[in-house]
Amino acid sequence: GENVEQHPSTLSVQEGDSAVIKCTYSDSASNYFPWYKQELGKGPQLIIDIRSNVGEKKDQRIAVTLNKTAKHFSLHITETQPEDSAVYFCAPGPLISSGSARQLTFGSGTQLTVLP
Amino acid sequence: NAGVTQTPKFRVLKTGQSMTLLCAQDMNHEYMYWYRQDPGMGLRLIHYSVGEGTTAKGEVPDGYNVSRLKKQNFLLGLESAAPSQTSVYFCASSLARVAKNIQYFGAGTRLSVL
Repeated sequence: GENVEQHPSTLSVQEGDSAVIKCTYSDSASNYFPWYKQELGKGPQLIIDIRSNVGEKKDQRIAVTLNKTAKHFSLHITETQPEDSAVYFCAPGPLISSGSARQLTFGSGTQLTVLP
Repeated sequence: NAGVTQTPKFRVLKTGQSMTLLCAQDMNHEYMYWYRQDPGMGLRLIHYSVGEGTTAKGEVPDGYNVSRLKKQNFLLGLESAAPSQTSVYFCASSLARVAKNIQYFGAGTRLSVL
């Protein structure tokens, strides 16, 4: 099965600085690499994702980069704001949900705190 | 605009008691999932379902049972609760065989087993 490691487990940054979270996976068959954000008291929500044939994707202040050879992908948040404070999860897995035994595997999470 | 709804939001059980967590989705999604979230361990898949009347085991299925009698509902049962099942439980759903494997989560159920 998929072995996912996410680092760091906690991250504190000053407002306006950048934050980077890295996710390493083991299953070379994974071809979909999403990041979820979980705010306090809520369920996780997809914020950005990337497919295996793309190296980088950007959406305003957040971006995801993929190194498929090295089997890792990273979440980048620039110009951090207090509302970015949350737990972030990576979840590599199959691009299309087909009912097979392979599902998304969630990392252990990164608690990001943006200090004012 | 409900999405995925979980009931109850909080529950306290004594060891050995049973209970059922209910998940309902109004997006006509084929797939539904139950996860547990524990500190430092992320989200671990308990059971999932790829359609009405079908269920499958995930990463940590022991001590839990599930049923998917209706497409919109996915029930998680604890027959004899143990303190190790103290956790936050999340239900999620997703469309099948579409362009991206996006899961939509409920707000969670916080369960304490004493």
